[in-house]
Amino acid sequence: GQNIDQPTEMTATEGAIVQINCTYQTSGFNGLFWYQQHAGEAPTFLSYNVLDGLEEKGRFSSFLSRSKGYSYLLLKELQMKDSASYLCAVRVPGGSQGNLIFGKGTKLSVKP
Amino acid sequence: KAGVTQTPRYLIKTRGQQVTLSCSPISGHRSVSWYQQTPGQGLQFLFEYFSETQRNKGNFPGRFSGRQFSNSRSEMNVSTLELGDSALYLCASSLGRSGGRETQYFGPGTRLLVL
Repeated sequence: GQNIDQPTEMTATEGAIVQINCTYQTSGFNGLFWYQQHAGEAPTFLSYNVLDGLEEKGRFSSFLSRSKGYSYLLLKELQMKDSASYLCAVRVPGGSQGNLIFGKGTKLSVKP
Repeated sequence: KAGVTQTPRYLIKTRGQQVTLSCSPISGHRSVSWYQQTPGQGLQFLFEYFSETQRNKGNFPGRFSGRQFSNSRSEMNVSTLELGDSALYLCASSLGRSGGRETQYFGPGTRLLVL
């Protein structure tokens, strides 16, 4: 089957750095996505990794190790508005499992 | 460019009824995917439509169905509603190219409550 694991909740302090981990076991791999979802809102795209290594985009960076089935999202200089759920999703080849398999999300609370 | 729109935003139904939800993708996007989001299960894939054809399907019962029109707008239907169908239903649109960096853009969702 398909399995994506993320911590359920994390807490961090404004201005700090936080790392949200994601491990996956899927039948095939065509890339990994991170989405941000504020309460009551739609998920919004943050990053995409398909090759091993680090992708940096402003305060957000995402890392992938395909051999370990592991990714992390790194958020720097945390702001209160970063309080949200962060969803890890793996794109798998077509078929009955669809094209994006999501983890259950990590709820991040940023405190002053 | 306008984003993905979904109607209605909120819906209350009773067990046994049926419901139809609508999704209008971003202009130029030909693929529409539907997801069910619940606190316990997270985001689960329902199905994807591309050029009016169902291209992928998740592991949901046949009570969940969908269709896509020639203008790429999509509808999903749930018949014989059950309490467990209470969820946020999200649709996401994309250009529809296979694999890779193809990014899905989500609508605000329809929150369905089944009583």
